[in-house]
Amino acid sequence: NAGVTQTPKFQVLKTGQSMTLQCAQDMNHEYMSWYRQDPGMGLRLIHYSVGAGITDQGEVPNGYNVSRSTTEDFPLRLLSAAPSQTSVYFCASSRDGTGWEKLFFGSGTQLSVL
Amino acid sequence: AQTVTQSQPEMSVQEAETVTLSCTYDTSESDYYLFWYKQPPSRQMILVIRQEAYKQQNATENRFSVNFQKAAKSFSLKISDSQLGDAAMYFCAYRSLEGFGANSKLTFGKGITLSVRP
Repeated sequence: NAGVTQTPKFQVLKTGQSMTLQCAQDMNHEYMSWYRQDPGMGLRLIHYSVGAGITDQGEVPNGYNVSRSTTEDFPLRLLSAAPSQTSVYFCASSRDGTGWEKLFFGSGTQLSVL
Repeated sequence: AQTVTQSQPEMSVQEAETVTLSCTYDTSESDYYLFWYKQPPSRQMILVIRQEAYKQQNATENRFSVNFQKAAKSFSLKISDSQLGDAAMYFCAYRSLEGFGANSKLTFGKGITLSVRP
C-alpha cells in the first residue's frame, strides 16, 4: 500500500516557468489537499478537494491551480513560477473532510524558483 | 480565524527522560479537534496524537500524552522515556468542526524542533 505519492521530490525552476506537482493516493480517500511549508511559518493550506470534481481555495491559493478529475489524483499547477513560491510542498489526504480523520502526507516536493 | 502558537522554537531532552512541548491556540468555537504531528528528517508528516475538545480526558498513545486545558486554550504534548527516534520537528494543529469549506483545513503552529541527547 503506497499511501500518498508525490513527484518529483526535487525541482528547480526559472522565474516564469510553469510546472505540475503530482499527487496520487491509493486509499480511496475523498479529501485531498496541498500545503506549503516555509521556514518559521508552519504549513499553510493552498487548495483542497472534498471529492472528484470539487475543489476550493485554502489560505494561500494565488499562483496555483488544482483539479480533481479522479479520486486518486490531485495535481498542483504553478502557472508562472515566482521566487516567492520557493518552498516545500506537501500533498495530504484523509478518508473524508470532517476533520477527525487522520491526514496522510506525502514525502514532499522541494521546489526552488530562481 | 483560529491561530496556533508554539512559542518554543527548539527544545532538547536527554534520552529516557520526559519532555513537554507547549502549544496554545485561540478560537471562539466550543468544539474542535487538536492534533500533534511529527516531522522527522525524512520530511514526511506523521500523526502523533489527537484530542476532541468536548472530551475532558486527555488523549494517550503509548509514550505520548497530552495535557489539554480547554479554558486556558492550551494543548501540550508530553513525551515519556524519550528515544533517539523522537528527534524531529513537532507541529501542533487545530481543526474546526464547522462544516467543510475553509474550516476543513488544519491550522498549524510554526513547529518546535526537538533534539534528543544520547
